[in-house]
Amino acid sequence: GQNIDQPTEMTATEGAIVQINCTYQTSGFNGLFWYQQHAGEAPTFLSYNVLDGLEEKGRFSSFLSRSKGYSYLLLKELQMKDSASYLCAVDDTDKLIFGTGTRLQVFP
Amino acid sequence: DTGVSQDPRHKITKRGQNVTFRCDPISEHNRLYWYRQTLGQGPEFLTYFQNEAQLEKSRLLSDRFSAERPKGSFSTLEIQRTEQGDSAMYLCASSLGFRLAGDGTGELFFGEGSRLTVL
Repeated sequence: GQNIDQPTEMTATEGAIVQINCTYQTSGFNGLFWYQQHAGEAPTFLSYNVLDGLEEKGRFSSFLSRSKGYSYLLLKELQMKDSASYLCAVDDTDKLIFGTGTRLQVFP
Repeated sequence: DTGVSQDPRHKITKRGQNVTFRCDPISEHNRLYWYRQTLGQGPEFLTYFQNEAQLEKSRLLSDRFSAERPKGSFSTLEIQRTEQGDSAMYLCASSLGFRLAGDGTGELFFGEGSRLTVL
């Protein structure tokens, strides 16, 4: 079966660092994506991991361990505009299977 | 290019009616996906096309749902005999490449969605 787990909600303070975890069990695996979705808007692409290790893009980094079925998204120097839902998604044979998303609220 | 566009943005209908949504992907994008999203949930895969060929349809999708991409450009998603449980945001996404990747060609670009409310 397909199972992608993320925490439902997280809170953090402006300027802080937050780590959003994702564990997955899928029948296929061709890579893992993170998307950001602001309320009422379309999801937008953040990062992609296909090999184990850390990928860094500015304030955002994403880590993957395929043997553990585990990924995390690390957000540094949090800003108020980072308040959004963060969606973990696995490429299962050419389609993305999404988790329920983690709603992050950043407070001043 | 203005990105993926969807029409209508909002649709309110009565139970039992048919509805159709249209998606115009980014031009030259080969792949087109339909997802459904309800409040507090992630997008749920419905179906996808590579050019005009429908390559996969979710097992969870009932026979009331049908999608087409007749000329490999725009796509339509039709829901027949709507039920209240069909109320959701229907998202369309497209990608340029022939496989998903995060290399600038393979990520999905989503439209703003079509919100369906079935009364």
